[in-house]
Amino acid sequence: DTAVSQTPKYLVTQMGNDKSIKCEQNLGHDTMYWYKQDSKKFLKIMFSYNNKELIINETVPNRFSPKSPDKAHLNLHINSLELGDSAVYFCASRHTNTEAFFGQGTRLTVV
Amino acid sequence: DQQVKQNSPSLSVQEGRISILNCDYTNSMFDYFLWYKKYPAEGPTFLISISSIKDKNEDGRFTVFLNKSAKHLSLHIVPSQPGDSAVYFCAASAGNNDMRFGAGTRLTVKP
Repeated sequence: DTAVSQTPKYLVTQMGNDKSIKCEQNLGHDTMYWYKQDSKKFLKIMFSYNNKELIINETVPNRFSPKSPDKAHLNLHINSLELGDSAVYFCASRHTNTEAFFGQGTRLTVV
Repeated sequence: DQQVKQNSPSLSVQEGRISILNCDYTNSMFDYFLWYKKYPAEGPTFLISISSIKDKNEDGRFTVFLNKSAKHLSLHIVPSQPGDSAVYFCAASAGNNDMRFGAGTRLTVKP
């Protein structure tokens, strides 16, 4: 009965591969986000979607492509993975001017 | 360009005393502010928030103060408990669903 769920929790893959991380929220929120937490533990916004429309794309390489098939889902597809993509990726959702709920995170390790 | 700053990477306090965590922001469009708590290997969990029309919001042991003229907010935890030990993130949001986080402050409460 998790509010925001992301899969997988751990992902280990080789450089050059393409991978996807899925996110689903059952809270009826209009806005969903992807954040990246790098080795310095800084939570950096990557994308924001509102009602399936891209609102914020924070200078993320175009190897990263978010896809929102409906309001409840925001998936992250990453092409040609690089070592520097290793991080923890968090999905979140909220209504405007309310608290955001976060998923448990996906730890991506590129080897 | 870091629009939300937490200049203290760590803070250590004695159990029962007050913990004060600080946050500064630069974007005057931010109108909603949040504090999150994060444990290792988990997603951030919401703690308390404040709208820009207020200067104080209190919830149990947690109080958030907002000084708009100084673009500064703080989180007070009184009394601090060992279970409060975690990383605390400050976040700021604008009406367009942009939500930015600071770098976090690691709070350690010693018994």
